[in-house]
Amino acid sequence: AQSVAQPEDQVNVAEGNPLTVKCTYSVSGNPYLFWYVQYPNRGLQFLLKYITGDNLVKGSYGFEAEFNKSQTSFHLKKPSALVSDSALYFCAVKRAGGYSTLTFGKGTMLLVSP
Amino acid sequence: EAQVTQNPRYLITVTGKKLTVTCSQNMNHEYMSWYRQDPGLGLRQIYYSMNVEVTDKGDVPEGYKVSRKEKRNFPLILESPSPNQTSLYFCASSPGHLDSGNTIYFGEGSWLTVV
Repeated sequence: AQSVAQPEDQVNVAEGNPLTVKCTYSVSGNPYLFWYVQYPNRGLQFLLKYITGDNLVKGSYGFEAEFNKSQTSFHLKKPSALVSDSALYFCAVKRAGGYSTLTFGKGTMLLVSP
Repeated sequence: EAQVTQNPRYLITVTGKKLTVTCSQNMNHEYMSWYRQDPGLGLRQIYYSMNVEVTDKGDVPEGYKVSRKEKRNFPLILESPSPNQTSLYFCASSPGHLDSGNTIYFGEGSWLTVV
């Protein structure tokens, strides 16, 4: 079975500081990895994904994520946080090749203070 | 505008009263899915459909039904809602099934309360 762990329920960071939201995964075979963001009272919006190729993936709103196969991690990062980045972030994984469902983590609330 | 549209967005209903949450996408996507979101549990898949007339159970299908008679629509049916089905529901769609890493697009969500 595949799974995603987001070890922090909440991450607090000051505006202008770098941010990291952690994600580790477990899947048999190679993974496809995704990050989604959910703003209050809104649906999930796609940020970025890793399918293959370069381990550093760049996405929307200045976010990026680094795929680390040996550590089975896909941490989300941004060099300089904005107050408007405050939201709930979800990491998701599915097995590459053949059909499997997309499994989500429990989510991490990011709070950026002015 | 490309989008996934759910209705209703907010609903309070009583135990046992059948209800349907509609979902429609205008992107000609083959794959559609329903998730529920509960605090501390993230998103869990209820049902999915890989194409018209093809549906299958996700991780938490009990108490739900779906149908896929047309490509654009994928309604979620609660035949006899119970309070443990109080949740935030999301419909999602994707260009193909997820084998090639296609991105899933989500609707705005439907808040359902069963009293």
